[in-house]
Amino acid sequence: SQQGEEDPQALSIQEGENATMNCSYKTSINNLQWYRQNSGRGLVHLILIRSNEREKHSGRLRVTLDTSKKSSSLLITASRAADTASYFCATDAGSYIPTFGRGTSLIVHP
Amino acid sequence: DTGVSQNPRHKITKRGQNVTFRCDPISEHNRLYWYRQTLGQGPEFLTYFQNEAQLEKSRLLSDRFSAERPKGSFSTLEIQRTEQGDSAMYLCASSPRDRTEAFFGQGTRLTVV
Repeated sequence: SQQGEEDPQALSIQEGENATMNCSYKTSINNLQWYRQNSGRGLVHLILIRSNEREKHSGRLRVTLDTSKKSSSLLITASRAADTASYFCATDAGSYIPTFGRGTSLIVHP
Repeated sequence: DTGVSQNPRHKITKRGQNVTFRCDPISEHNRLYWYRQTLGQGPEFLTYFQNEAQLEKSRLLSDRFSAERPKGSFSTLEIQRTEQGDSAMYLCASSPRDRTEAFFGQGTRLTVV
């Protein structure tokens, strides 16, 4: 079963614009992670935010976490064509097993 | 490169045949996961090892599926009597001790005809 649900399912933007993806989840978590997957490839870990953190940055990525609303957002600033991929959130409720959502498909047009 | 390695990358098999996939995790990663992913979906958890012990198995995993991790190193996932519904990408990932971040292999794409 899927714990997280990403929104939107698909996002199409122009290079240079910002992309925002949201993730909602159902149960209490220890941490939430975001992953990227290029077509037909394995997933690549992007960033982890712990349940006691509200915001985290890594390069052009900004992640927020609102545990009261059970939601997280991933912002990619100044997007590039190479950011075209599927993005997944994954939650860990303390079992060390990442549980993934269905993902957001991002297309960045050059 | 010391990333997670999966073999084979692609497998086409006839319905009813058995298949076995192999995963070599990053060395010294004590946790290993198997996931299944179908088109347009996120990875679905199948099973999890900590060292050689299989600690958790999805309730969705039928008894045709079995996984092993002898000596806590590489792992194998076997599917017996394959069905067309088994067609998917099978992903392996590993994590270091006390961290949740998973490092994924490139996956094995199974097609059952």
